[in-house]
Amino acid sequence: AQKITQTQPGMFVQEKEAVTLDCTYDTSDQSYGLFWYKQPSSGEMIFLIYQGSYDEQNATEGRYSLNFQKARKSANLVISASQLGDSAMYFCAMRDNDYKLSFGAGTTVTVRA
Amino acid sequence: AAGVIQSPRHLIKEKRETATLKCYPIPRHDTVYWYQQGPGQDPQFLISFYEKMQSDKGSIPDRFSAQQFSDYHSELNMSSLELGDSALYFCASSSTPSGAYTDTQYFGPGTRLTVL
Repeated sequence: AQKITQTQPGMFVQEKEAVTLDCTYDTSDQSYGLFWYKQPSSGEMIFLIYQGSYDEQNATEGRYSLNFQKARKSANLVISASQLGDSAMYFCAMRDNDYKLSFGAGTTVTVRA
Repeated sequence: AAGVIQSPRHLIKEKRETATLKCYPIPRHDTVYWYQQGPGQDPQFLISFYEKMQSDKGSIPDRFSAQQFSDYHSELNMSSLELGDSALYFCASSSTPSGAYTDTQYFGPGTRLTVL
């Protein structure tokens, strides 16, 4: 069964505006972690932000914030004040009681000047 | 800050040849993970090691093997290469004991393998 679902294959956003990337997950574990990674066209995988299942507050890292709704099993990434350098593929991933990360299909973000 | 190092960055092989990919984790990281990302796909977990012992195994073909050495670097050995093995291979490392769902995996730049 798919553990991570990202329903938006691609999104366009105007420079300096905010964009929300959707992510829903499926797990029966009580303890799990949710991660977002950015993959530019150059290919590297860059860690952005982490949210633990027991964290009561939404995670924030600079212009990145995570809208965590545990009951709905969603962990949406919000990028504020978009920059041209934010154009990339964004992956949502989860780690539960397995050692590995399970990734979603990704969302391509294109920032327009 | 030091990052995960992978070598080579690019590799071109013929079908049925062998390849060895190397990964040097972030200093003091004791867990290494290998992922395979096909064109237009999300990364798929292959195998992981904690303190030089295999800790988990994913969809890794029998033609592939891996190990982690005493200095914590890891090597992924791939034999009888097939066209379908062409992909971006990532190594990631983390610093907390295996089983901790909170530990962040930091990825290397990847090795792009092309099989002709």
